[in-house]
Amino acid sequence: QSALTQPPSASGSPEQSVTISCTGTSSDIGFYNHVSWYQQHPGKAPKLLIYEVSKRPSGVPDRFSGSKSANTASLTVSGLQAEDEADYYCSSDGGSSNLLFGGGTKLTVL
Amino acid sequence: EVQLVESGGGLIQPGGSLRLSCAASGFSVDSNYMTWVRQAPGKGLDWVSLIYSGDNTAYAHSVRGRFTISRDNSKNTLYLQMNSLRAEDTAVYYCARGGYGMSWAFDIWGQGTMVTVSS
Repeated sequence: QSALTQPPSASGSPEQSVTISCTGTSSDIGFYNHVSWYQQHPGKAPKLLIYEVSKRPSGVPDRFSGSKSANTASLTVSGLQAEDEADYYCSSDGGSSNLLFGGGTKLTVL
Repeated sequence: EVQLVESGGGLIQPGGSLRLSCAASGFSVDSNYMTWVRQAPGKGLDWVSLIYSGDNTAYAHSVRGRFTISRDNSKNTLYLQMNSLRAEDTAVYYCARGGYGMSWAFDIWGQGTMVTVSS
């Protein structure tokens, strides 16, 4: 059982928007603004999409956006494209030099 | 080009030891924090260990006392020494770089090296 809770699956049609949630506690997501999101295609290494809740590294399309409310972080993918089909993971500073990951969400583009 | 290349994985018997290496190019491994993350077959990401730029280290509870993270700045390489290996340590092990100016976010990842613990 992962420390952060994500839905196992999500889906949307091309051009639609989809939001993936990541629920923690008041000791991790609710306390720190150190939430990141990663995209992982099959057989590939993870790729950083979002850091510090809502910031995008250079090169990441603005179709990807992040937010947080209380103990839940969210990743929104707008204008879905076929190449967005992948696994998505959230992570958070868990305090005491501990990094937490969510269990992952498989995004299907219908 | 900024990249990380892991090596050292393989098949090892329970109770055995293995040392993983992560060779960096395009940046210095001591310039920021570095981490190891693993992924068991068909499972999600699982944080293993981290080393800060000041050489302080941190470990997941599941590996504390068995794994040791270190780096050799002269070789620009990160290591993970794994002792007393268990079947549940079977996974692809990734090294990753902490992003500059990013808190607890990793912007460069290696391709991973597979560790299989089995008799």
